[in-house]
Amino acid sequence: ETGVTQSPTHLIKTRGQQVTLRCSSQSGHNTVSWYQQALGQGPQFIFQYYREEENGRGNFPPRFSGLQFPNYSSELNVNALELDDSALYLCASSSPRGGQETQYFGPGTRLLVL
Amino acid sequence: SQKIEQNSEALNIQEGKTATLTCNYTNYSPAYLQWYRQDPGRGPVFLLLIRENEKEKRKERLKVTFDTTLKQSLFHITASQPADSATYLCALDMGGGATNKLIFGTGTLLAVQP
Repeated sequence: ETGVTQSPTHLIKTRGQQVTLRCSSQSGHNTVSWYQQALGQGPQFIFQYYREEENGRGNFPPRFSGLQFPNYSSELNVNALELDDSALYLCASSSPRGGQETQYFGPGTRLLVL
Repeated sequence: SQKIEQNSEALNIQEGKTATLTCNYTNYSPAYLQWYRQDPGRGPVFLLLIRENEKEKRKERLKVTFDTTLKQSLFHITASQPADSATYLCALDMGGGATNKLIFGTGTLLAVQP
């Protein structure tokens, strides 16, 4: 088990609603990345936060937004939910210090949009 | 855009044999390539990282090779066991270095038969 936790574990929403997913990073890790994984696909990079600032974004529309807090925990917010947003949402924490550090993934939040 | 291809079909092998998984990529020269294991309903778990100037990396029964001319990485599990059954994902760092902004392949499902 990694030290990365995510909540909730499962969520059901309807089209047009908004959702907030939460991630607590591993102790000492100041970088959090969020990924979307559709069924049968690899994870797709949404964005990364480093020291409370967005530090890179993948090919996702602005209705996907995030926050990172002073304790390095993070939130992913998705507005105006669409059916295609149904997926496993993963967060991963790391702490690059002058080189590649291992990235630790949480267990994910399974989102179903009806 | 960057494209990563992994064996699209499941790989079935007998216990004790060596499993070899392939990862091919295009349109990019990554400085790092990573391999992850993912079990159903869980987040990916980091296994190995190999740098562009490394031809081969080993960790216990795992071996990764990286051929930047062929744009290919091979992932080997020797003396495979049923517990090795999982989906294996390769990932490239799209940040041009140690950024952990990863592009993942779709993964290869490995099934080790006792």
